[in-house]
Amino acid sequence: QLQLQESGSGLVKPSQTLSLTCAVSGGSLSSGGYSWSWIRQPPGKGLEWIGYIYHSGSTYYNPSLKSRITISVDRSKNQFSLKLSSVTAADTAVYFCAGGGNDSDGYYLNYWGQGTLVTVSS
Amino acid sequence: SSEVTQDPAVSVALGQTVRITCQGDSLRSYYASWYQQKPGQAPVLVIYGKNKRPSGIPDRFSGSSSGNTASLTITGAQAEDEADYYCNSRDSSGNHVVFGGGTKLTVL
Repeated sequence: QLQLQESGSGLVKPSQTLSLTCAVSGGSLSSGGYSWSWIRQPPGKGLEWIGYIYHSGSTYYNPSLKSRITISVDRSKNQFSLKLSSVTAADTAVYFCAGGGNDSDGYYLNYWGQGTLVTVSS
Repeated sequence: SSEVTQDPAVSVALGQTVRITCQGDSLRSYYASWYQQKPGQAPVLVIYGKNKRPSGIPDRFSGSSSGNTASLTITGAQAEDEADYYCNSRDSSGNHVVFGGGTKLTVL
C-alpha cells in the first residue's frame, strides 16, 4: 500500500516561491504506470488540480497556473516536488500530493497525502 | 467547455438512495472519478472507470454515465456518508484534469 507524505514550508512571503516535496513509501515512484499529482484546496473551497508528472517524466500543468509551476521527480529519493513561483494570497491553500492511474479507466487518484497548509503572507 | 459542474448540495433521508451528478462535455469522452472528503481529511477515491470501486469502498457506492453526465449513486445512504463529494475527469484536450466544484451531501 503506497503512502504519501508532503513536506515543505508552511509560510511563504508574497512574490516568493512555494516549494513542497512528496515522499512516497511502500512502493517505487517508477513502477506501475502511475502519474503523480498535486492538488490544492483553498480554505473552505473545492479541489483544484495543479498538475501531474507521468512515470515517464512528462508533465502536464493547469493552464491557469502553467507559467508558475514546475513539477519534478527525484527517483533516487522516491519523491516528487512542486514549485510555484510568484505566489500571492490567492495561493493560500491545503496542498495535497496524490498518485493514481491515468489510463483507459480515466484519471483517478488512489493514494493521497494528508495535505499540508501553505499560507502566503508577509 | 473544459469544465465539469456539480450541484452544490444534496440531501437524502437515512437509508434512502441518492444520486450526485457531474456534467461536462469531456464526460462524453472520458470517465469520471469520484471522491469523498470529510472535514479535515484528504479525499478518498470511491468510484473510477466504468463503475469500479477501490478495495474497502462499500458496494452501496456505484457509478454510471450517460452522455455528458456522470453520476454517483449511494444506495441506502448511511450517516457516515455525509461528506463532500467531488468528481473529476480529463478535460476535452485529454491531457489536463478538471474537478467539479463539489456536492455537499447531508444525510437526514
